[in-house]
Amino acid sequence: DQQVKQNSPSLSVQEGRISILNCDYTNSMFDYFLWYKKYPAEGPTFLISISSIKDKNEDGRFTVFLNKSAKHLSLHIVPSQPGDSAVYFCAGYKAAGNKLTFGGGTRVLVKP
Amino acid sequence: GAGVSQSPSNKVTEKGKDVELRCDPISGHTALYWYRQSLGQGLEFLIYFQGNSAPDKSGLPSDRFSAERTGGSVSTLTIQRTQQEDSAVYLCASSLAGNEQYFGPGTRLTVT
Repeated sequence: DQQVKQNSPSLSVQEGRISILNCDYTNSMFDYFLWYKKYPAEGPTFLISISSIKDKNEDGRFTVFLNKSAKHLSLHIVPSQPGDSAVYFCAGYKAAGNKLTFGGGTRVLVKP
Repeated sequence: GAGVSQSPSNKVTEKGKDVELRCDPISGHTALYWYRQSLGQGLEFLIYFQGNSAPDKSGLPSDRFSAERTGGSVSTLTIQRTQQEDSAVYLCASSLAGNEQYFGPGTRLTVT
């Protein structure tokens, strides 16, 4: 039972263009959604989060959009840079239980 | 400041042997989590420690897996009688409160 799904395993984008990463969830009880970025041989690092009561959160080049009716969130990276090449995981967080549930990840390649 | 550290970084073991993986969380973090990432998969929750409470073991895949957290700090994940399907990257994370978890670099376990 995958509560959080990232249906695109990979994404390739030209430097300077927009990267859009998508994530769908089935559990309406998540309190927050988070995006993590992972480089090879390193642990995931926190990127940006959004409360379930919000529909948008922006931090520099990164914006997360939440569509609760569609149970869908997306991460926009504008402009994309070669250093953004990594695997991105979305995750849902439930305060009750204090746990994260991760999607399968999307590998992003930003071409110079 | 020091982040989450894990040891060893790589472990190769023969099928049937026991292994111990270690995690040193960020000092003062009360919550500690273990995840694993199998090849091409997302992060799978294994076990969660919070302060002195009984751990949430709901993600452990079999009774061959166990974990301890001594003195509210260092944690050890033990896998007994390893199987080839146990091969994965085992990630530890810690947090102070709320949803942001800080990950270590992981231990890559290969069972031959």
